[in-house]
Amino acid sequence: SQQGEEDPQALSIQEGENATMNCSYKTSINNLQWYRQNSGRGLVHLILIRSNEREKHSGRLRVTLDTSKKSSSLLITASRAADTASYFCATDYFGNEKLTFGTGTRLTIIP
Amino acid sequence: GAVVSQHPSWVICKSGTSVKIECRSLDFQATTMFWYRQFPKQSLMLMATSNEGSKATYEQGVEKDKFLINHASLTLSTLTVTSAHPEDSSFYICSANPGTSPTNEQFFGPGTRLTVL
Repeated sequence: SQQGEEDPQALSIQEGENATMNCSYKTSINNLQWYRQNSGRGLVHLILIRSNEREKHSGRLRVTLDTSKKSSSLLITASRAADTASYFCATDYFGNEKLTFGTGTRLTIIP
Repeated sequence: GAVVSQHPSWVICKSGTSVKIECRSLDFQATTMFWYRQFPKQSLMLMATSNEGSKATYEQGVEKDKFLINHASLTLSTLTVTSAHPEDSSFYICSANPGTSPTNEQFFGPGTRLTVL
C-alpha cells in the first residue's frame, strides 16, 4: 500500500496548548495537503505545501515539509475545543491528481 | 470556495438491493471526480477515478461490476453499489478539483453513510 503513516494515532491536549502531528510518505511527491474531518462529516482542506516548499503558515496552522525524510508536520497553535477532529495528510504525484491519504491523527482538545 | 454536494447523506438498505449515490460540483465543472470509501476510524481509500464521458478508472481490488460509476456530465458523477451486502456498509466520499489553481487542491463532498442490513 502506498498509504502514508501519521503519528500519533491519537492525541489529547488541553485547550490553549499546541498540537503537533506528523506524516510520513513513501515516494516522491508533487504536493502534500492537510485535511480536517469532523466526526461523520466530509473533509475540509486546511493547507497545501508544494514539494519545493519547506514551510507554510495559515492562521494558527504551520506546516513543514522535509522531502529528504519524506515527512511533514502540522502544528496547530493555541488549540481550541473546535479543533477537535481527525487530521489527514494527503499526497499526490507529478502528473496525477489522485490523492493518497495518511492513516490520520485523532485530535481531542480538552476544554 | 468550490462546493461539492452528495446525495443522499445517509441511506439504509436491505442486503441485495442497489444504492445510487450522487456527487455534484455546484459551482464549477469537473472533468474528473474521485470516489473514496472510509470505514469507521480509518482513513480514506480511493476507490476509483470518475472521468466525464469515459469509463472510470478503478483502483486495484475494487470490483468495477460492484461499484458502477457514471460521469455523465461535467457536474455530476454517480456511484451505484450493486447487490449491496453488509460488508459494503461504509462512508462514501467524493471529491473534485475545480482546476482553477495550478495545485491539486480538491474539494470534498459531505459524504454518504451507507448501512446495509
